[in-house]
Amino acid sequence: GENVEQHPSTLSVQEGDSAVIKCTYSDSASNYFPWYKQELGKGPQLIIDIRSNVGEKKDQRIAVTLNKTAKHFSLHITETQPEDSAVYFCAASKGTGGFKTIFGAGTRLFVKA
Amino acid sequence: EPEVTQTPSHQVTQMGQEVILRCVPISNHLYFYWYRQILGQKVEFLVSFYNNEISEKSEIFDDQFSVERPDGSNFTLKIRSTKLEDSAMYFCASSERVTPRNYGYTFGSGTRLTVV
Repeated sequence: GENVEQHPSTLSVQEGDSAVIKCTYSDSASNYFPWYKQELGKGPQLIIDIRSNVGEKKDQRIAVTLNKTAKHFSLHITETQPEDSAVYFCAASKGTGGFKTIFGAGTRLFVKA
Repeated sequence: EPEVTQTPSHQVTQMGQEVILRCVPISNHLYFYWYRQILGQKVEFLVSFYNNEISEKSEIFDDQFSVERPDGSNFTLKIRSTKLEDSAMYFCASSERVTPRNYGYTFGSGTRLTVV
């Protein structure tokens, strides 16, 4: 069935270092890959996304890469700050407009000051 | 910035009782969703809704669940006879029609449902 695997489950980095979270997906029909950040007591918030016709996308300190052949995609956060501490979810869907999104299990990122 | 609003933030109910979780999606969004997150686990899809009907639903979304858009602004999730395992955080989300720019969901802050 459809599945998204995410690792690591926990990641601890020093402020200023980079953090990388990796995901794999099983459904080759997936073509939209969002990343969400969830802070304590809040709903997930979309931080960046990538579509299958693009291999890489960057937004300031955040970048995502996608390898459709290998069904891998990754989130890279550079120059981490304490406020980056949160749970990060990768996700995959077959598109937008009503398609369900399958989430990974989440990565709890701790950024130590 | 537009928000998805969910009420109540926390609901405690007796097993077997009916609950209705309420959501006000962003006004110009056309697609609506319910997801749930059992404590410490992944976010799970329940149902998507468009043009006043269900677009897709998961295995979790059985006959005990229903959704409704009773007016132009509210979107509700009803659980007819709650079970202990329904205890979770329930998130409502909405998204725009497919455009070149805005594909992702906007989630609400969630309703924590506790079944006792």
